[in-house]
Amino acid sequence: QQQVKQSPQSLIVQKGGISIINCAYENTAFDYFPWYQQFPGKGPALLIAIRPDVSEKKEGRFTISFNKSAKQFSLHIMDSQPGDSATYFCAASMEGGTALIFGKGTTLSVSS
Amino acid sequence: DAGITQSPRHKVTETGTPVTLRCHQTENHRYMYWYRQDPGHGLRLIHYSYGVKDTDKGEVSDGYSVSRSKTEDFLLTLESATSSQTSVYFCAISPLGPPYEQYFGPGTRLTVT
Repeated sequence: QQQVKQSPQSLIVQKGGISIINCAYENTAFDYFPWYQQFPGKGPALLIAIRPDVSEKKEGRFTISFNKSAKQFSLHIMDSQPGDSATYFCAASMEGGTALIFGKGTTLSVSS
Repeated sequence: DAGITQSPRHKVTETGTPVTLRCHQTENHRYMYWYRQDPGHGLRLIHYSYGVKDTDKGEVSDGYSVSRSKTEDFLLTLESATSSQTSVYFCAISPLGPPYEQYFGPGTRLTVT
């Protein structure tokens, strides 16, 4: 129940395309869903986060879509650029919880 | 890297030797975490701290200990390193408290031969 399942494991998208990464969870007590971006040799960086009271949050080219009934959330990267090539992690946490529960990551490659 | 430094950044050590990794923050945040990152496993919590001398175990704490004698420093010790502890170790801080908005340091790559 504490798992966050992330897919796909890897993704290749052409420049200008839309990248979509999906995550699913079981624990309905989760109430905070962040996405992290990690470049090789660097620490994960908080990209965007959402709470379950909204179905979508957009920041620039990055959008989180949240489906509470399906217990799924996804990251959409519009107009994907080679500079977006990185590993992306979804995560979840809940009030009273200890820390973030991370998905296993998606390696995104944007081809030019 | 959110005012977090980790040292060393790279270390190679032999099986059975003790190893201590240091995390230093400049913002005096109360909550600090140690994660390890391994291919296919994402990030897994080792230990966390909610104040000076206040620490607790995470998901993968076996073989690790931590100490926090000052707000700004959180130390991770491998008492007797094993090859299974070869990993990249990340420290994180949480300005708002658990379990939200964590910010990560640059990481330490540890190889145990």
